[in-house]
Amino acid sequence: SYELIQAPSVSVSPGQTASITCSGDKLTEKYVCWYQQKPGQSPVLVLYQDSRRPSGIPERFSGSNSGNTATLTISGTQTMDEADYFCQAWYNSTGVFGGGTKLTVL
Amino acid sequence: QVQLQESGPGLVKPSQTLSLTCTVSGGSISSGSYYWSWIRQPAGKGLQWIGRIYPTGSTNYNPSLKSRVTISGDTSKNQFSLKLSSVTAADTAVYYCARVGNYQSFDFWGQGTLVTVSS
Repeated sequence: SYELIQAPSVSVSPGQTASITCSGDKLTEKYVCWYQQKPGQSPVLVLYQDSRRPSGIPERFSGSNSGNTATLTISGTQTMDEADYFCQAWYNSTGVFGGGTKLTVL
Repeated sequence: QVQLQESGPGLVKPSQTLSLTCTVSGGSISSGSYYWSWIRQPAGKGLQWIGRIYPTGSTNYNPSLKSRVTISGDTSKNQFSLKLSSVTAADTAVYYCARVGNYQSFDFWGQGTLVTVSS
């Protein structure tokens, strides 16, 4: 089976840049999506096709995918960005999620 | 704006079958452009994809759950459903339904429904 690996936690100071990574075998050959989930809420799509933002997602959210690693970058991180972030891709018609990264803004 | 709403029993006994329904508004499940999925999340843990249904009615399932899962659609009611058989406490989770949209992203989600497996 295919696995996506994320660090459990990342900390960033307000106004700084946060980078959250997602690793998987030949991940660059797949499209990666990123989801933000705040406590008690449903996940929200923040990036799809590696780096495209859905309508309503702030420009400070960006993404890249190269080699075996996809990266979600949040520029000028705000306290409202504190949340869990999950990467996701498809492998053999099966949806796969990373284990999630808790982003702390302090 | 597409909206999804899960419904079903919040408590299921071990060894029984969990049944949930997702009602879709603002879009048709029979539209050729989208698929429809179930995803679950145990408390404090990550997301697990369960499966998806195409407008044609064909399905894909997570291999780890495939022997116990059935996803079906009812186009007359614009609903799709999940059945998970032989449940155990490990199946206790919040269950979400979601639309599979652009580039196979989960672009719209339901609010989720907690299902507890307990006698």
